[in-house]
Amino acid sequence: DAKTTQPTSMDCAEGRAANLPCNHSTISGNEYVYWYRQIHSQGPQYIIHGLKNNETNEMASLIITEDRKSSTLILPHATLRDTAVYYCIVRVNSGGSNYKLTFGKGTLLTVNP
Amino acid sequence: GAVVSQHPSRVICKSGTSVKIECRSLDFQATTMFWYRQFPKQSLMLMATSNEGSKATYEQGVEKDKFLINHASLTLSTLTVTSAHPEDSSFYICSAQARTGGTEAFFGQGTRLTVV
Repeated sequence: DAKTTQPTSMDCAEGRAANLPCNHSTISGNEYVYWYRQIHSQGPQYIIHGLKNNETNEMASLIITEDRKSSTLILPHATLRDTAVYYCIVRVNSGGSNYKLTFGKGTLLTVNP
Repeated sequence: GAVVSQHPSRVICKSGTSVKIECRSLDFQATTMFWYRQFPKQSLMLMATSNEGSKATYEQGVEKDKFLINHASLTLSTLTVTSAHPEDSSFYICSAQARTGGTEAFFGQGTRLTVV
């Protein structure tokens, strides 16, 4: 089972920041939070990941609360091409150096003109 | 990011036949590859995890004799759907974890399988 909960859908105006929340209240101390997105009929695209500290890359920023029970993905200036399903995933260690990415239902972000 | 290529992107086959899907990591060596299945309007469901040179680990409820996985090299894994039936029609997606350094998994573009 996915260890995350996300809103089913969100809307955002083009050019505005999109803030996508995720709850992961049962996350363990060594489990990372990953974000991927999937545009219709394509494979998921990696966005960003983090453990404790906030992270930023060319695509997005990831804000993780101090207790690590929730996080927010921020797309600073959303474009129409950012319309996709966004998945927040807790990466679970499945033994040794192996891990699993278990996908939940994700958030459908619709960026409107 | 790293590139993972799947082939074919679309395939239509007759019931009872077998279909092979290839997943290649083009610019990195993949220690581990994952196979997912996605039905319409649903999320990705992990089917199996494969490590190079060893047998795949299947998720509960996934028939290992029906979905054959081979991970013969650090850049190639294959999924063969044997004796396909219409209910096997789905979007199959692979992902690969880099051998060294990287902690993220990169996904292929997916394969749309239709069994008629």
